Order: sequence, then C-alpha cells, then structure tokens
Amino acid sequence: QVTLKESGPVLVKPTETLTLTCSVSGFSLSNAKMGVIWIRQPPGKALEWLAHIFSNDETSYSTSLKSRLTISKDTSKSQVVLSMTNMDPVDTATYYCARIPEEFPYYFDYWGQGTLVTVSS
Amino acid sequence: SYELKQPPSVSVSPGQTARIACSGDTLSKQYAYWYQQKPGQAPVLVIYKDTERPSGLPERFSGSSSGTTVTLTISGVQAEDEADYYCQSADSSAASVVFGGGTKLTVL
Repeated sequence: QVTLKESGPVLVKPTETLTLTCSVSGFSLSNAKMGVIWIRQPPGKALEWLAHIFSNDETSYSTSLKSRLTISKDTSKSQVVLSMTNMDPVDTATYYCARIPEEFPYYFDYWGQGTLVTVSS
Repeated sequence: SYELKQPPSVSVSPGQTARIACSGDTLSKQYAYWYQQKPGQAPVLVIYKDTERPSGLPERFSGSSSGTTVTLTISGVQAEDEADYYCQSADSSAASVVFGGGTKLTVL
C-alpha cells in the first residue's frame, strides 16, 4: 500500500525558512524512474507545482520560485525534504507531496493528506 | 511557460452529463491528466494520459482530447461527484508541470 505523509511546522514567521518532510511507504525512492513532487494550494485557490525529484536525483523547480526552493531525498529514510526560504504571508497554503509513477509524462497517482502552513508574525 | 484554462464553474442536475474542458497550446503535444478534489481532501487522479481511467474509478468518468482541448466527461452525475476538478499537463523539455485553474462542479 502506497502512502505519503507530509510533516513540518504549522506556523512560520515571515523571512524564516520552511522545511517540510514527505515520508513515503509502499515504494522505494530508489525505484527507477519514480519520483516525488511537492505541490501547494493557497486557501481557496488552485494547485501550484513547486518542485520534484527522481530516483536518479534529477530535480526540477518552478521557475517563479526556483531561487527559494531546495528539494532533496534520503532514500534510506524514505523521505523527501523541501526547503523554502524567505517565507511570506502569501506562501500560506496547504503543501502536498505526491508520487510520480514514471519518469515522463509527469502525473501523480498517490498524494499525501497535505499539511497547512501559515505564515504570520 | 504555458497555461491551461478551465471554466471556473459547471453546474448539472443529478443524472445528467457534465463536461469540463481544459485548453492549452501544448495539449496537442502532451498528455493531460485530471484530478478530483473534495473539500478538505487531497486531490485524486481520475483520468491519466488523456483518456485512461485508474482502476477502481467509476466508469462514468471519461476523458477525451481534440487538438488543444481536453475534456473530462462525467456521465450520470451523482451528488458525490460535486468537487473541484483540475487538469494538469507537463512539458518534457522544461521538466515543468502546470495545472489549470480548477473547475467547481456543482450538482444541483
């Protein structure tokens, strides 16, 4: 059974760095051609792609947020970590991680429940 | 970068057919995917590679593609189908992902 679960702070202050962890089970982060993606959704708004990483450590970032994001994985711990620097209230959102089942095309067959992050002083 | 456009809302009565369109230039070259999201829940994949349905999903969900427009069709809509629906595609050359703005399906 494939599962993903996001964890991290529920509240961060402006200018701080957010670090979120996606813990996966039911598949291995070393599976060839599989990956994990981070997606966020501000309250009442649409889904927005942030970044993704594949088993070969290939990464890709949203052009608009690239300077603030870092994605990495720890295969032994079955975890994918996303860091976002210089947080702002507009970054308040539910952050999801999801599995990418094949290298291309990119789509997402299993999702975590999401974690709501609020940015406020 | 590119974008995908969806109507903000679609309304249908129970038992009718709902059609949600998604348009974008790259859809003529790249596959589209559809996700259903109910309030307070994570999205769920309902259509992949334009027309494929994940196992276990009701047959009333189907997808089609024509040129730069893809369409999610829900036949015999039920009250439980009321949700937000998002289309999604990807660009291999840029290794990027894009979502449509979402369509709120209301079952009257």
